[in-house]
Amino acid sequence: AQSVTQPDIHITVSEGASLELRCNYSYGATPYLFWYVQSPGQGLQLLLKYFSGDTLVQGIKGFEAEFKRSQSSFNLRKPSVHWSDAAEYFCADNQAGTALIFGKGTTLSVSS
Amino acid sequence: GAVVSQHPSWVICKSGTSVKIECRSLDFQATTMFWYRQFPKQSLMLMATSNEGSKATYEQGVEKDKFLINHASLTLSTLTVTSAHPEDSSFYICSAAPRDRALNTEAFFGQGTRLTVV
Repeated sequence: AQSVTQPDIHITVSEGASLELRCNYSYGATPYLFWYVQSPGQGLQLLLKYFSGDTLVQGIKGFEAEFKRSQSSFNLRKPSVHWSDAAEYFCADNQAGTALIFGKGTTLSVSS
Repeated sequence: GAVVSQHPSWVICKSGTSVKIECRSLDFQATTMFWYRQFPKQSLMLMATSNEGSKATYEQGVEKDKFLINHASLTLSTLTVTSAHPEDSSFYICSAAPRDRALNTEAFFGQGTRLTVV
């Protein structure tokens, strides 16, 4: 069955430090991969997505993610974290036309 | 980009009453809409998939008689929580898949509805 794993439940990063959030997918066919961010009590905001082509994907707010088929991974990165980045981050996967399958999420805290 | 509007954004209701949540695609036609539920500090779990003009497909463990889904047009799907109880309190989010196949690789989400049953 299709699944998405986010191994880290909670990560704390110092402001200005780099960030990497891990995501692994299990579906064998070419995945459609997404990263979303959710602030408390809010809906989802799409950060970036990967369907095909260049495996390094640029998103909004300075985020990027790299698709690595050999590792079944799609990790999210940011070179310098801002306090406003503190939120819940979800990795998701789907096959075209179907519902998204979400990982359990990673809570990002930013320390000053 | 495509916009999905969800209404209301929050609602408080008494136990035993029913609540209707609307999900509208504002600038595109959606043949398929998805309904998710998110409990506090948890991920989004798919509840059901609705296709315009046909019955919704519910995920295992979701009571179809309790969570009534109607997708009567290409721009509107509704979720009705019938005889709501406190354990139904949750964050409900819809997403819509555009009819245009060129756009059909991305899901567009509503802003969510916070339901509190007292």
